[in-house]
Amino acid sequence: KQEVTQIPAALSVPEGENLVLNCSFTDSAIYNLQWFRQDPGKGLTSLLLIQSSQREQTSGRLNASLDKSSGRSTLYIAASQPGDSATYLCAVRRGETSGSRLTFGEGTQLTVNP
Amino acid sequence: NAGVMQNPRHLVRRRGQEARLRCSPMKGHSHVYWYRQLPEEGLKFMVYLQKENIIDESGMPKERFSAEFPKEGPSILRIQQVVRGDSAAYFCASSPLRGEKLFFGSGTQLSVL
Repeated sequence: KQEVTQIPAALSVPEGENLVLNCSFTDSAIYNLQWFRQDPGKGLTSLLLIQSSQREQTSGRLNASLDKSSGRSTLYIAASQPGDSATYLCAVRRGETSGSRLTFGEGTQLTVNP
Repeated sequence: NAGVMQNPRHLVRRRGQEARLRCSPMKGHSHVYWYRQLPEEGLKFMVYLQKENIIDESGMPKERFSAEFPKEGPSILRIQQVVRGDSAAYFCASSPLRGEKLFFGSGTQLSVL
């Protein structure tokens, strides 16, 4: 059974800092991994998706890496801003043909202080 | 192109009543997924549907819960005889193809009194 863990559970940083969020998963046989942000009372916004054959993806100030063999992914946020404050969720997809469910971590709650 | 639309945003039911949650996927998406987020817990998969077919319902409770995605109209998640433990945020997601990126709706917050 796939388990996804995110560390830390909460993080508070001053504006402008670079930061790293961590995600680990127990079963390395994944199809892809997706990072989301969730704002209070709202849905999830997809940030980055990394296929199992890829090592990283970048979008603006965000960079996500994937080390499938060790079961780890990181989300790097450069020059953090108060608007980045949200809960960040990591989710892995088991396989394209064996099912399409995502298994989510419990998230990292990020607060960026002005 | 409107995103995934869920309604209602908030739904209040008394114990024993029925709850119907609706989800209209993004235009062109034929794959719909339902997830539940219990208080202080992560999102848990419930069911995966394509038009008129349930593909994977392994995350659905065996009783009282059902889902459909008819040929016409939105996907419906139906909870019969709700109990307090059903109180949660229910999220719908859609994708254009199997295995592709999921796009989530804003969720329906169900409160059972």
